[in-house]
Amino acid sequence: NAGVMQNPRHLVRRRGQEARLRCSPMKGHSHVYWYRQLPEEGLKFMVYLQKENIIDESGMPKERFSAEFPKEGPSILRIQQVVRGDSAAYFCASGTGGSRTEAFFGQGTRLTVV
Amino acid sequence: GDSVTQMEGPVTLSEEAFLTINCTYTATGYPSLFWYVQYPGEGLQLLLKATKADDKGSNKGFEATYRKETTSFHLEKGSVQVSDSAVYFCALSVPNTGNQFYFGTGTSLTVIP
Repeated sequence: NAGVMQNPRHLVRRRGQEARLRCSPMKGHSHVYWYRQLPEEGLKFMVYLQKENIIDESGMPKERFSAEFPKEGPSILRIQQVVRGDSAAYFCASGTGGSRTEAFFGQGTRLTVV
Repeated sequence: GDSVTQMEGPVTLSEEAFLTINCTYTATGYPSLFWYVQYPGEGLQLLLKATKADDKGSNKGFEATYRKETTSFHLEKGSVQVSDSAVYFCALSVPNTGNQFYFGTGTSLTVIP
């Protein structure tokens, strides 16, 4: 059973471009979480999704950021018109949504905006 | 609201020293508690968990006990190794908020030979 797969592992974008980060959850997991980790900082919650449904997006910046988790295919975190401050590691985690179960993390995508 | 507060780092210890990383929580419901570890350049891995009061989670020599009376879940290890150098995150999830996970800010541990 493959773990949570994130791609790409490293992504370089110029200011103003779009960044698309993909996350394939573990088999059997229907819930996905996205977190951002800035250098020397902790893990900041961004969004929590179930297939075709956003459960909690309270951590998402109001502009330029969006996330989806379609019925088929990976979850996508999309950042439009990237700026230098978006440079960070973005982690996806997946879970069953069941109570008292852990979340499993991917290796992360390290976004660098130049 | 639900949240986790963990000890500020960084922490530097000599090999074979005793480790404690403090973690306290605030939760509106009845949470499950977790410790995750992040090695350099990698994602977070579950280290241990406890799902009800007085449960003790343990793994790789690390232990943490779910203390409802003090709302704490402190991480301990009796004798650390250089390979334990990593960032440690305390986390909770509360079923009545849809199993949202809340993480502490992380504590960086460096173990020197």
